[in-house]
Amino acid sequence: AAGVIQSPRHLIKEKRETATLKCYPIPRHDTVYWYQQGPGQDPQFLISFYEKMQSDKGSIPDRFSAQQFSDYHSELNMSSLELGDSALYFCASSLVGSWRESSYNEQFFGPGTRLTVL
Amino acid sequence: AQSVTQLGSHVSVSEGALVLLRCNYSSSVPPYLFWYVQYPNQGLQLLLKYTTGATLVKGINGFEAEFKKSETSFHLTKPSAHMSDAAEYFCAVRMYGGATNKLIFGTGTLLAVQP
Repeated sequence: AAGVIQSPRHLIKEKRETATLKCYPIPRHDTVYWYQQGPGQDPQFLISFYEKMQSDKGSIPDRFSAQQFSDYHSELNMSSLELGDSALYFCASSLVGSWRESSYNEQFFGPGTRLTVL
Repeated sequence: AQSVTQLGSHVSVSEGALVLLRCNYSSSVPPYLFWYVQYPNQGLQLLLKYTTGATLVKGINGFEAEFKKSETSFHLTKPSAHMSDAAEYFCAVRMYGGATNKLIFGTGTLLAVQP
């Protein structure tokens, strides 16, 4: 079965550079979530999109922005990179359907993009 | 606000011994609860989940967990540890219903399995 695809898998950047991480959700999934996992830390929710609209926002720095495109893939743009941005960035996708439905929707995680800022 | 507490950042068991990883949650309403496993340099894999219904849930690789509302707990167990179970385990909570589907993770428990 198709899984969540993230690219690149590894990325090395210098301080103050920019980075773009891409996420391709499972086909027919309408929601994408971004999580950041620092070294030895638990994953922290950054932002999510449902049907191309931002649905929730977590602890995402102002230097970061994200969007979901018409084909449902999502990109996380990170500018003015700092050493502390070095982390594993996970994307997850789910099929939410209607927000009026109190239904469970499992999040399927991608393998992550490991960003190293030097 | 919802939160998840995992007791014990490191747990070490012998191969064949019982595995018990503790998770307690804080939520004003019954949440959805999850256990994820993360192998070194890999992504998060869902082990099992509790949404509604039966409070004892079985997952992959012989793991199971029991939702105990009175104790606000969702401990993960496996009767007999295998070397391949060595990994980091995250308990997570998601609020039932509503527009917020984000997962809130615990700080993780690193499981070591000794031969």
